Amino acid sequence: QKEVEQNSGPLSVPEGAIASLNCTYSDRGSQSFFWYRQYSGKSPELIMFIYSNGDKEDGRFTAQLNKASQYVSLLIRDSQPSDSATYLCAVNIGTGNQFYFGTGTSLTVIP
Amino acid sequence: KAGVTQTPRYLIKTRGQQVTLSCSPISGHRSVSWYQQTPGQGLQFLFEYFSETQRNKGNFPGRFSGRQFSNSRSEMNVSTLELGDSALYLCASSSGTNTGELFFGEGSRLTVL
Repeated sequence: QKEVEQNSGPLSVPEGAIASLNCTYSDRGSQSFFWYRQYSGKSPELIMFIYSNGDKEDGRFTAQLNKASQYVSLLIRDSQPSDSATYLCAVNIGTGNQFYFGTGTSLTVIP
Repeated sequence: KAGVTQTPRYLIKTRGQQVTLSCSPISGHRSVSWYQQTPGQGLQFLFEYFSETQRNKGNFPGRFSGRQFSNSRSEMNVSTLELGDSALYLCASSSGTNTGELFFGEGSRLTVL
């Protein structure tokens, strides 16, 4: 079992819809969780991080964490074509900057 | 503020050779991490250096090694290259605090023939 699992997609949503991206992790001791966005041919860039159970909102993005279920999700409201990218879930293991990344979910927003 | 700089951007090697990749982090950042990205496996953690010391190490064979200099610049080396080492190698810098914001370079694309 991989440490971080994501549905690879592809996920297609119409412009203006809500895109829902999901991620599960295996290490119950994981403390911090991150969502990165990677455009084709580019490097990953951080969208959001979440440490506590519940929801965290930042503009059109909402991260949700459920540690009991070992589940993290990212909701993108009012999806735009510019949101079309691969979204990577990352989990910080232990101290320092050691992350396990999921293989990513490819999102396409259709105009 | 300059971003993370990786060199070379592209390189082609043959099996058995070795390669050295370089990464200059964002000014003031003391943590440098290296990741291997392949289509099948995604991003896999290689190692992290903080203040010239290896702080974390991933699950890669000893052929993969790295170091960090006093100016925080980092190098990684892969010896005895195998075909499976073909990948995008990404360097990420961080201030070193545990917020988890990694700033990635554009990567070094290694092709092993």
